[in-house]
Amino acid sequence: QKEVEQDPGPLSVPEGAIVSLNCTYSNSAFQYFMWYRQYSRKGPELLMYTYSSGNKEDGRFTAQVDKSSKYISLFIRDSQPSDSATYLCAMSETGGGADGLTFGKGTHLIIQP
Amino acid sequence: DVKVTQSSRYLVKRTGEKVFLECVQDMDHENMFWYRQDPGLGLRLIYFSYDVKMKEKGDIPEGYSVSREKKERFSLILESASTNQTSMYLCASSFRGQGSYGYTFGSGTRLTVV
Repeated sequence: QKEVEQDPGPLSVPEGAIVSLNCTYSNSAFQYFMWYRQYSRKGPELLMYTYSSGNKEDGRFTAQVDKSSKYISLFIRDSQPSDSATYLCAMSETGGGADGLTFGKGTHLIIQP
Repeated sequence: DVKVTQSSRYLVKRTGEKVFLECVQDMDHENMFWYRQDPGLGLRLIYFSYDVKMKEKGDIPEGYSVSREKKERFSLILESASTNQTSMYLCASSFRGQGSYGYTFGSGTRLTVV
């Protein structure tokens, strides 16, 4: 069983829709959870991070962690064509400094104008 | 506002050439990483370094080596480039301390070996 599972997509939705992106994981020691956005031919950029369970909101983006189910989500409200990108989840036991990050393979998201 | 800089965006090299990919960060990060990214395979860790002159093998180190002579610079070396090393190469850096959130990535180098 892979450590982090993420549906590769592509996920295609119309502009203005609510988008839900998800990852599941197997390592119960993960405590830090991150979402990266990667535009075509660019490096990933950190979009959001959360510690342990709960929700975190930043503008149109909401990150949600359910440690009991080993499931994390990223919601995008009022999606825009500029949100079209690949979204990678990442997680670690200590935040990425000491033990490194484990990445999902990414979901390719397309927002249709 | 560039924090992790990779020296080349696009590179074309011939089979058998020795290839150097350079990465420089200006955030005083202890940790530096080299990944390659291929469609369907995601990010795969090649090598990483926790300190100057230190290096650790990642998941796919074969055919690669690294050098870290200064804290801010981490170089990836393809000793004898092969076509199966055609890929997107990403450098990243992070603080060592617990609780530091994630990595900062460079823009990537798209390497084509012909």
